[in-house]
Amino acid sequence: QSVLTQPPSVSGAPGQRVTISCTGSSSNTGSGYDIHWYQQVPGTAPKLLIYGNNNRPSGVPDRFSGSKSGTSASLAITGLQAEDEADYYCQSYDSSLSGSLFGGGTKLTVL
Amino acid sequence: QVQLQESGPGLVKPSETLSLTCTVSGGSISNYYWGWIRQSPGKGLECIGYVYYTGITNYNPSLKSRVTISVDTSKNLFSLKLNSVTAADTAVYYCARHLDHYEGSGYYYGGWFDSWGQGTLVTVSS
Repeated sequence: QSVLTQPPSVSGAPGQRVTISCTGSSSNTGSGYDIHWYQQVPGTAPKLLIYGNNNRPSGVPDRFSGSKSGTSASLAITGLQAEDEADYYCQSYDSSLSGSLFGGGTKLTVL
Repeated sequence: QVQLQESGPGLVKPSETLSLTCTVSGGSISNYYWGWIRQSPGKGLECIGYVYYTGITNYNPSLKSRVTISVDTSKNLFSLKLNSVTAADTAVYYCARHLDHYEGSGYYYGGWFDSWGQGTLVTVSS
């Protein structure tokens, strides 16, 4: 089945480290396809945060990092700030769909 | 930095065709794939499909029978048509540039959306 599974929500206090997981299947991450991450502040368009598993576009703080192993990937945010409160989505290519697939999204709350 | 801007009607009647255009500025539409992604109210992101500047398309199988994405290189824009719409097609529609990752051997690692439009809300209602 073509699914990328994310936890619905995570939370952390300012300054803390949080991680958001993204678990795929054999037709996407398990086949070696890259994972990408997006940040979406409510009411705005998604913004590319991490591409190719662990690469940050210019302008993205190094507090954000990505990793991937097998069918799973993670987004880590260190030194949590109030402005990090947003929805986060993972995305990958899926060979069954022959196209892009997004995870369900994770809402990050900064306590 | 490339910029994208969606345009089109914000209200479409059920059973009619939703038509949106994405105008690309600050860069050429050539040599890239360009995609449409939608987000139903309170829901996650769904990739509708994308088009290469040559006109080659790739559609989400769940929407393929109703979708057409086309490109006009002379005007630096690409378009989305979704026919036979229902209330379930009510969503914010985003256009975005799609980049691909290939290794030297030709192995394809997938792609991502690096630049996005601001999105446009389309409501399907009579």
